[in-house]
Amino acid sequence: LAKTTQPISMDSYEGQEVNITCSHNNIATNDYITWYQQFPSQGPRFIIQGYKTKVTNEVASLFIPADRKSSTLSLPRVSLSDTAVYYCLVVTGRLTGGGNKLTFGTGTQLKVEL
Amino acid sequence: EPEVTQTPSHQVTQMGQEVILRCVPISNHLYFYWYRQILGQKVEFLVSFYNNEISEKSEIFDDQFSVERPDGSNFTLKIRSTKLEDSAMYFCASSELGGNTGELFFGEGSRLTVL
Repeated sequence: LAKTTQPISMDSYEGQEVNITCSHNNIATNDYITWYQQFPSQGPRFIIQGYKTKVTNEVASLFIPADRKSSTLSLPRVSLSDTAVYYCLVVTGRLTGGGNKLTFGTGTQLKVEL
Repeated sequence: EPEVTQTPSHQVTQMGQEVILRCVPISNHLYFYWYRQILGQKVEFLVSFYNNEISEKSEIFDDQFSVERPDGSNFTLKIRSTKLEDSAMYFCASSELGGNTGELFFGEGSRLTVL
């Protein structure tokens, strides 16, 4: 299981772009990089997933270099409501049933201020 | 937007009592999960369930825990004899595909307090 490392905390201001980098040096060929967001007293919420290069959706962008040993979650123009814990996970793709056991680390606590 | 619903939102129980936490996964999902989060700690995997049987469980999920899908909609977690250290937020999750996607849909959680 690929271990991930990400900063414990980050501070930003409203309107700024926030980039959270995660390292996953021993990522395997079948692994996907997945990011979740968690607000206090709520369940985690899927943000974005990618395998390589760049993925963008209405919430965020995910940049993955060619070696896939790191990834960067980019949140454009954050607001106060983006204050949350952001988790970087490596998910192993499976071809058989049984579901994916997600292993959460400590995540990055993002605090957005005015 | 479809969502995973959990009941109760908060339960207080005495040590040694049995607790059942209930979840209604998203209707077309096939994979079901329970996770827990002790206050201030990581979200921890407990068990995954597919095709009416447990597909994987963690070391936390010992004989005191059991899961069941008693009908076509509910997915329950039972703790037979609660301990103080079972106090946590318990999250149910479901997913449509258990393969390459990491997209699990989590409920709002059930907070369990064991006294």
